[in-house]
Amino acid sequence: GENVEQHPSTLSVQEGDSAVIKCTYSDSASNYFPWYKQELGKRPQLIIDIRSNVGEKKDQRIAVTLNKTAKHFSLHITETQPEDSAVYFCAASKFDDMRFGAGTRLTVKP
Amino acid sequence: KAGVTQTPRYLIKTRGQQVTLSCSPISGHRSVSWYQQTPGQGLQFLFEYFSETQRNKGNFPGRFSGRQFSNSRSEMNVSTLELGDSALYLCASRELAGGTYEQYFGPGTRLTVT
Repeated sequence: GENVEQHPSTLSVQEGDSAVIKCTYSDSASNYFPWYKQELGKRPQLIIDIRSNVGEKKDQRIAVTLNKTAKHFSLHITETQPEDSAVYFCAASKFDDMRFGAGTRLTVKP
Repeated sequence: KAGVTQTPRYLIKTRGQQVTLSCSPISGHRSVSWYQQTPGQGLQFLFEYFSETQRNKGNFPGRFSGRQFSNSRSEMNVSTLELGDSALYLCASRELAGGTYEQYFGPGTRLTVT
């Protein structure tokens, strides 16, 4: 099955700085790559996603890039705020399978 | 539409017992996946059901099983509970129609095994 690796496992930034989380996947058939944010005690929530026919997608302060050849994708958060502090999960999916990375705990220090 | 719901939300069991968890997907969603979440272990994939058929299974022992009903509701069963089964069990549903792959999570069932 698909194997997704995510780095770093923890990330601490100052408020206003940028944060980047990187993931690699193994199955070239994966064609959908979502990112989830999980705040303490809450369920994971979809924050942005990208399909394999697109190289980059932006939504306000967050963006995701995809390199299909290298099989890696990244989440970029600009102008970080304390409310961005959470665990972020990447995932790789095809029609019948979705697998997640191990998560990145992001801490934004005021 | 109502979101994904899971029952019960909290459960305390003793080693050796068995437990059944329930998940009701978003209306119209035919795929239900189950994940185990423990501190530091991320979201470990258990299995995925689509139209009452298990399509994928993660690397968990046979003590973990599941099923899906014709209304897409799903149950997960763990037999002969071990202390290491203590975790948050999340289910998620997907529509998988028209090229939509977005997956939505339920609030989870927190299982404690003593």
